[in-house]
Amino acid sequence: DAKTTQPNSMESNEEEPVHLPCNHSTISGTDYIHWYRQLPSQGPEYVIHGLTSNVNNRMASLAIAEDRKSSTLILHRATLRDAAVYYCILQGAAGNNRKLIWGLGTSLAVNP
Amino acid sequence: ETGVTQSPTHLIKTRGQQVTLRCSSQSGHNTVSWYQQALGQGPQFIFQYYREEENGRGNFPPRFSGLQFPNYSSELNVNALELDDSALYLCASSLVSGGARRELFFGEGSRLTVL
Repeated sequence: DAKTTQPNSMESNEEEPVHLPCNHSTISGTDYIHWYRQLPSQGPEYVIHGLTSNVNNRMASLAIAEDRKSSTLILHRATLRDAAVYYCILQGAAGNNRKLIWGLGTSLAVNP
Repeated sequence: ETGVTQSPTHLIKTRGQQVTLRCSSQSGHNTVSWYQQALGQGPQFIFQYYREEENGRGNFPPRFSGLQFPNYSSELNVNALELDDSALYLCASSLVSGGARRELFFGEGSRLTVL
């Protein structure tokens, strides 16, 4: 199973951009990159996913390196509600490879 | 509001007992997966069901079993409970169609404590 590596924790100030890095050097050609976040005492929440091209949605942007061995989740303007654990996960193509392998994630603190 | 509901929200069992956790998937979703999340850890994949058949399993022993019903609701059963089974159990549903990667919608989880 391909693994991801993220910093244990990061800190940001409210209304500033946040760049959350993820390394996935063993990614295979068909693996998708997913990001989820988990607020305290809640189930995980989908943020964004992509394969090769950069992706944008209402929550965030995902920048994927050209060699796909790393990616960055970008929160354009952090709010206090963005304080959560952010997980970068790879998902394979089919069958058992579709399962998501979660690491420890990055705990993001947002200062007012 | 994700639409995925789990019950019970909290429960306490003793070692050796059996437990059944339930999940109601989001409307229109045909796939459900279950995760175990120990305190301070990321979720660990237990298994996944697609159209009532298991189609993926993580590194969990056979005493962890599941069912998916025709209405796509699901159960997770754990037999012979051990102290290490204490965790938050998360259910996630999604709509799988062809090769598309769809997001998972998680419930709030069932917190199991084994004494």
